[in-house]
Amino acid sequence: DQQVKQNSPSLSVQEGRISILNCDYTNSMFDYFLWYKKYPAEGPTFLISISSIKDKNEDGRFTVFLNKSAKHLSLHIVPSQPGDSAVYFCAADLYGGSQGNLIFGKGTKLSVKP
Amino acid sequence: DSGVTQTPKHLITATGQRVTLRCSPRSGDLSVYWYQQSLDQGLQFLIQYYNGEERAKGNILERFSAQQFPDLHSELNLSSLELGDSALYFCASSGGGRTDTNYGYTFGSGTRLTVV
Repeated sequence: DQQVKQNSPSLSVQEGRISILNCDYTNSMFDYFLWYKKYPAEGPTFLISISSIKDKNEDGRFTVFLNKSAKHLSLHIVPSQPGDSAVYFCAADLYGGSQGNLIFGKGTKLSVKP
Repeated sequence: DSGVTQTPKHLITATGQRVTLRCSPRSGDLSVYWYQQSLDQGLQFLIQYYNGEERAKGNILERFSAQQFPDLHSELNLSSLELGDSALYFCASSGGGRTDTNYGYTFGSGTRLTVV
């Protein structure tokens, strides 16, 4: 049973527009949520995270929104750039107070067209 | 360079064989995690070590084992390999501190294992 789900395998967006990537989770005990970006032939790189006690975290062009009642989070990229084209993984951390193993979704491939 | 080093980058081997994947964590990080990414799958957690001790276990097959050495590098041993073990294997390390802008959990670039 998948605890972290990314239901859209791919997303295509025009350069300069907003990209919205979605993620749903089932375990209400998750205390941290993260987004990772992955280019081909590279490991995932950390993008942004949010604690379960917050509902929004912003870092430059990237904003993560958390809706705990809906068990849903989303990543907004504004404006989108061609260099943002990558696979984006949503992940959740189960262990409160310290880092534990992350539970990942299957990823969404974002293509930003010039 | 993330600071987490994985070797080798690519490995091709036959079914039934045994291989060892190596990971050197980022300087100062005590925790090492191993993940498997199969085709069209997310990253599946295999096992975590903290300062030489096994801390958590995920969906790791009995044919797989791992260890963390006193210098904190880790090895993932895969034996009696099957075609379905072909995947990307990632190592990550963490140091225990995190904020919203720096989770402190860093991945290596992975080892691509192909079993033929």
